[in-house]
Amino acid sequence: NAGVTQTPKFQVLKTGQSMTLQCAQDMNHNSMYWYRQDPGMGLRLIYYSASEGTTDKGEVPNGYNVSRLNKREFSLRLESAAPSQTSVYFCAIAGDSSSYNEQFFGPGTRLTVL
Amino acid sequence: AQSVAQPEDQVNVAEGNPLTVKCTYSVSGNPYLFWYVQYPNRGLQFLLKYITGDNLVKGSYGFEAEFNKSQTSFHLKKPSALVSDSALYFCAVRDVGDYKLSFGAGTTVTVRA
Repeated sequence: NAGVTQTPKFQVLKTGQSMTLQCAQDMNHNSMYWYRQDPGMGLRLIYYSASEGTTDKGEVPNGYNVSRLNKREFSLRLESAAPSQTSVYFCAIAGDSSSYNEQFFGPGTRLTVL
Repeated sequence: AQSVAQPEDQVNVAEGNPLTVKCTYSVSGNPYLFWYVQYPNRGLQFLLKYITGDNLVKGSYGFEAEFNKSQTSFHLKKPSALVSDSALYFCAVRDVGDYKLSFGAGTTVTVRA
């Protein structure tokens, strides 16, 4: 039982390149989230998916797109990477979008855009 | 709008001493409050949460937190800190009925032997 897995663990891109970050879960949870973590800023929500087939913008969605492929998988795509997108990206899951459920986090993807 | 403030960037304590990490919050309604811990190069791990009921919440690894509605605070505490408690701690809040979890900037805890 791996919980939440993310691939890749590390990635270096050049400005303008595209890539997709993958997230998969084996906990059968409905809600999935993408965050970015920057020093001194905590975690900021990029996109979330309350259930299979639905996605919604978070507080910093510009420059990103997402796909909820099925219940298990939620991917984050950078179409044209910019240096401002250098960050650590975390995928998280929760039982549902009810307010009181804690979220479970993956190990993160460290992305550098040159 | 909801927000969280962690007023201390860093907390340094000696092993065996009490540890407190401060958190204050702002929500329009009733809050759901969470504490997470992050070890180097790892994802966040859930420590404890306040939903309703008893203001003192006990969580993993001997941590506890006290909800204070009048002071809008949710401070994390541990009676006797260990070197292994050295990590980055995040407080988070969610307004009842809202999907969004808002995180504080984090507090780095260093416990010296």
